[in-house]
Order: sequence, then structure tokens, then C-alpha cells
Amino acid sequence: DGGITQSPKYLFRKEGQNVTLSCEQNLNHDAMYWYRQDPGQGLRLIYYSQIVNDFQKGDIAEGYSVSREKKESFPLTVTSAQKNPTAFYLCASKKTQSGNEKLFFGSGTQLSVL
Amino acid sequence: AQSVTQLGSHVSVSEGALVLLRCNYSSSVPPYLFWYVQYPNQGLQLLLKYTTGATLVKGINGFEAEFKKSETSFHLTKPSAHMSDAAEYFCAVILSGGSYIPTFGRGTSLIVHP
Repeated sequence: DGGITQSPKYLFRKEGQNVTLSCEQNLNHDAMYWYRQDPGQGLRLIYYSQIVNDFQKGDIAEGYSVSREKKESFPLTVTSAQKNPTAFYLCASKKTQSGNEKLFFGSGTQLSVL
Repeated sequence: AQSVTQLGSHVSVSEGALVLLRCNYSSSVPPYLFWYVQYPNQGLQLLLKYTTGATLVKGINGFEAEFKKSETSFHLTKPSAHMSDAAEYFCAVILSGGSYIPTFGRGTSLIVHP
């Protein structure tokens, strides 16, 4: 079955450490997105990519980095510059960048600070 | 700029009662509107969407929503709540003619009492 796979489900970060969250999709979707979810704040866009080898900052990109070397993969790195990384991270994809299509979501990664 | 406002971070209903979750948007161009549901520790899944055409849209699990341009609203309803409806609900908007980046509301937690 096609879908989006996020790993790991739970991740712990030590002070000063960079960690990478994996997102893989086999839906042949062009557009991929990373959202951060905090209680009561909804989903906030971190980065998005509408085509391979290109990505754009979202509303809260500081302290994060991404790459899009393959259509199927859009990993997110939480750097040591992100001072408050504890959150639920959701990866999503959409077939194209048109407006009338739904997002497909992964099951999320819960990141906590040790 | 686009924005989405969900009134009420929590809505509590009795099983069998009407469910009404409110969503208002701001947009100067025709929007695409979505409702997503999130169960604990999972990603989001689409309930329904409005793109063009009929303003009353029906979704999965007995939910429906009506696009009211004059009120800039897209409220979600269900005639009779079921215990399994307890979840977090998100309204999202995409503006036509733009970058087609979804913007989410802060979410409404639906609590269903027996």
C-alpha cells in the first residue's frame, strides 16, 4: 500500500545535538511538507518542497534544515540552534502543488529533549 | 495573507447530540477549504473538502460542512455524535492562485460523553 512513513516514532535529543527525522513516501507525490504541532497551536509549517532539489522556508524554519535529493524522501534535521525542539512533527505530501488536493500525512515523530 | 480561526479549543457533547465545530477564514480570493481529523498520536486524515461547486459537502463518518462565502465560514457538523468521534479536528485553507500552501487552524478537541 502507498503511504508516508515517518521514523522514528519517538526520538530523544541531548543538549547541543543535531537529530534527523525521516520521511519517506511511495505515492509519487511532488510536494512534501514538514509541520510542527504543539498543544493548542495547531500545525505550523517548517519547510516545504514542491520539486526535487528545491525547498522553501515556512513560518518557523529557524533551527531546522531539510534536503530533497530524491522525490521519495524529505528528511528534517533539528539542529542545536533550535532551543525548544520538544514537539510532535508531522510530514505530509500532496500529488502536485495545486490547491484542490488533500494532504497525506505520516503518523508523526514525537521529539523530546533529555 | 490567509488565516483560519477555529472557535473553541474544546467542544463537549453527549453521545447522540449534534456536533458543531466552527471555522472561519480570511481570504480575498476564492479558497479551497478542508477539514482533517487527528486521533491521538497519529497523523491527520481528510474528512472532507470544498473546492468548487456545491457548497454543502459530505465527508466520511457522517460529517458534512457548508461553505458560506458571505460569512467566510466552513463549519463542520454531524447530526449525532458517536464515542468514536472523539478526536482533534483541524480546519485548513488553501488560496487559489497562490503557492497552494495549506494553512491550518489551531484545532478543536471534540469530547464525547456517554
